[in-house]
Amino acid sequence: ETGVTQSPTHLIKTRGQQVTLRCSSQSGHNTVSWYQQALGQGPQFIFQYYREEENGRGNFPPRFSGLQFPNYSSELNVNALELDDSALYLCASSLSGEYGEKLFFGSGTQLSVL
Amino acid sequence: QKEVEQNSGPLSVPEGAIASLNCTYSDRGSQSFFWYRQYSGKSPELIMSIYSNGDKEDGRFTAQLNKASQYVSLLIRDSQPSDSATYLCAAQSGGSYIPTFGRGTSLIVHP
Repeated sequence: ETGVTQSPTHLIKTRGQQVTLRCSSQSGHNTVSWYQQALGQGPQFIFQYYREEENGRGNFPPRFSGLQFPNYSSELNVNALELDDSALYLCASSLSGEYGEKLFFGSGTQLSVL
Repeated sequence: QKEVEQNSGPLSVPEGAIASLNCTYSDRGSQSFFWYRQYSGKSPELIMSIYSNGDKEDGRFTAQLNKASQYVSLLIRDSQPSDSATYLCAAQSGGSYIPTFGRGTSLIVHP
């Protein structure tokens, strides 16, 4: 059973640029969630995809967008990068169960915006 | 707005002691609760889940839930230096697939 993998692990961009982050979900999982974690803060929910459809969205502007592919892998795209977008971006896969969503996180992508 | 509150710490305990981590949540509709451990520079890892009032034990970890008080706690017995990490509490409402995370409590276990 393969775990959740994310790429790249680190990324440096300048303000105004665009970035794409990638995530492969754990084998057998059909749901992918993306979180942003600033230093010293808890993960903040960006959005979730279930079977290629957006299944919920947090309080993030439209320049944060995503995709889920038929193999359940996913992309997070951020346009017009701002300095405050510097954070650890976490992808988590899950398989919905009766008693809630146990998330399995990837190792994250550390994004620095200069 | 659904909120999960945790004291950011750090909580410092000696090796072998019991570490007690606390969390409160604002949404009375929350039904599922999770504790994640996050080592510095790493991603969160699920260590406990609890859904019913009372205690749930798993090895050295005990999760406690009191829905009337909207309170969740995690006890770590016989704390080890390797337990030093940030512990994230998360709450999820019934019918929602999206947990809300607290900011985490930093735990330091010193030899």
